[in-house]
Amino acid sequence: EPEVTQTPSHQVTQMGQEVILRCVPISNHLYFYWYRQILGQKVEFLVSFYNNEISEKSEIFDDQFSVERPDGSNFTLKIRSTKLEDSAMYFCASRGRSVPLHFGNGTRLTVT
Amino acid sequence: DAKTTQPNSMESNEEEPVHLPCNHSTISGTDYIHWYRQLPSQGPEYVIHGLTSNVNNRMASLAIAEDRKSSTLILHRATLRDAAVYYCILNNFNKFYFGSGTKLNVKP
Repeated sequence: EPEVTQTPSHQVTQMGQEVILRCVPISNHLYFYWYRQILGQKVEFLVSFYNNEISEKSEIFDDQFSVERPDGSNFTLKIRSTKLEDSAMYFCASRGRSVPLHFGNGTRLTVT
Repeated sequence: DAKTTQPNSMESNEEEPVHLPCNHSTISGTDYIHWYRQLPSQGPEYVIHGLTSNVNNRMASLAIAEDRKSSTLILHRATLRDAAVYYCILNNFNKFYFGSGTKLNVKP
């Protein structure tokens, strides 16, 4: 069964550094999402992306965050200048014209 | 965004049915009811969804109240592998917002 894959599985970065989290959605999917989950807390929506533009974003997704689909396969989340509170699991998800959402297994981001 | 309310945790015995409730009193007519679960150290996984009628699939059943203000996810025979956090989500087009979920513990 096709999967959403995320790399790396764990990323450690220093405060103030830029980080790019990468996702390869399922190949024929059209809608792409990023979520984050701080340790022990609920899954929080960050952004959704369709037709090469952001369709929804949450209050968390401020100017420090950006998303891109640079080619036909990758979907990236960039954090421009990381803060300690950005430490979390970041999940990518995708779907076709209908549900359900398919999630990757996440990238654990640790900001030191 | 329409909100869902779930118990923080529930416990079940292995091989017995489990009924996980969800309240969504502010649901709108076009909101779908989704259930996802998150196993330890994994991303969320789709379980089932519905609009008005009850739904069955190989994983579970979804019972939706007639007024749609509540729903129940039914696992017919819980196994140890069903221990997870179960999220009830209201979906309208491109919006999927997770609530706090119910942590299900399955005892052998």
